[in-house]
Amino acid sequence: GAGVSQSPRYKVAKRGQDVALRCDPISGHVSLFWYQQALGQGPEFLTYFQNEAQLDKSGLPSDRFFAERPEGSVSTLKIQRTQQEDSAVYLCASSFSGGVTGELFFGEGSRLTVL
Amino acid sequence: QKEVEQNSGPLSVPEGAIASLNCTYSDRGSQSFFWYRQYSGKSPELIMSIYSNGDKEDGRFTAQLNKASQYVSLLIRDSQPSDSATYLCAVNLSNYQLIWGAGTKLIIKP
Repeated sequence: GAGVSQSPRYKVAKRGQDVALRCDPISGHVSLFWYQQALGQGPEFLTYFQNEAQLDKSGLPSDRFFAERPEGSVSTLKIQRTQQEDSAVYLCASSFSGGVTGELFFGEGSRLTVL
Repeated sequence: QKEVEQNSGPLSVPEGAIASLNCTYSDRGSQSFFWYRQYSGKSPELIMSIYSNGDKEDGRFTAQLNKASQYVSLLIRDSQPSDSATYLCAVNLSNYQLIWGAGTKLIIKP
């Protein structure tokens, strides 16, 4: 597609439910990042993929968070047993080059609300 | 704790004037510096990147970097109402991680 696509755009979950957020990056982009953005704050790094390899997952806040990119394109961020503090916008970004030296192209985000 | 600090604003600037946005960072090893613009309810988009000391100009935008002072700024000349947004400063912590400031909200008054 022309840009980074994320789905769902909005997700309401009851506390304890599992959720899956999908990111379809720009075709050919090597790098894929997941960020969490709380209201009024900048994005917080969650994890980084270079092709299918997850090279950095140090930002994942707990073992309830899991991300994968099995074929080096589409990525899924899964949150198990959601808690209220997980409520945020989850942003996916992709980049043609490896690492953070180049421009990041962001999707519109998935807004998660945990009740 | 590595940090990027920005004044949260709002910064109010008359249309046609120069808007000056500032950012300080704590990691002396950082090499890549970015300014992203984020409209309300939208995702960030890159405005400028800068990697070496000095000024870098692109149209109405000028990024300034001073690594000795750990300071990066963004100047917007001839400010337009469409420039009203939150401006995020991002600095690389490693090859894979960017640290982001909380952003400065800019309001351009017609």
